[in-house]
Amino acid sequence: QKEVEQDPGPLSVPEGAIVSLNCTYSNSAFQYFMWYRQYSRKGPELLMYTYSSGNKEDGRFTAQVDKSSKYISLFIRDSQPSDSATYLCAMGVGSGAGSYQLTFGKGTKLSVIP
Amino acid sequence: GAVVSQHPSRVICKSGTSVKIECRSLDFQATTMFWYRQFPKKSLMLMATSNEGSKATYEQGVEKDKFLINHASLTLSTLTVTSAHPEDSSFYICSARGSRGGEKLFFGSGTQLSVL
Repeated sequence: QKEVEQDPGPLSVPEGAIVSLNCTYSNSAFQYFMWYRQYSRKGPELLMYTYSSGNKEDGRFTAQVDKSSKYISLFIRDSQPSDSATYLCAMGVGSGAGSYQLTFGKGTKLSVIP
Repeated sequence: GAVVSQHPSRVICKSGTSVKIECRSLDFQATTMFWYRQFPKKSLMLMATSNEGSKATYEQGVEKDKFLINHASLTLSTLTVTSAHPEDSSFYICSARGSRGGEKLFFGSGTQLSVL
């Protein structure tokens, strides 16, 4: 079993829909969780950062973490064509120079159709 | 968020030549930088970790003599692909952590390398 599982999609939704993106993980040591958005041939852009279980909201984006189920989600409300991109989850342990380790999901390709 | 600048964004070179890619943290000091490689429709593959002032740590299977990494200052890391071959063609992305040891990772815009 891989440490981080993420459905690669592709996922197509109509404009205005609510999008739900998910990742599961097996390593209970993961302490912090992030979501990145990557447009084609660009570097990933940090969208959300969370440290604890629960919800965190930022505009149209909500990140949800359930450590007991080892499950994280990113919700996008009122999706727009400009949200079309690949979304990568990332989770990590450690903060020291020698202990920091970040593991990425494979990414979910999202297309929002006008 | 913090800004990481990566240059060039695209490079085409002949087989056998060397290519240098620069990664700069523009508004913060980056004690640790990471270099990734990404194939089409695939996730990020960590190549190496570079810490300012020390030798880079390479992931298993990555040739250190092929991919030279230098992190000579707190704002600059370079990746040099030596004696490039067509199989080295890929999308290379750098990233950086802030000097305060934050967990957030900030990425450059990536470099598309094409070796003819």
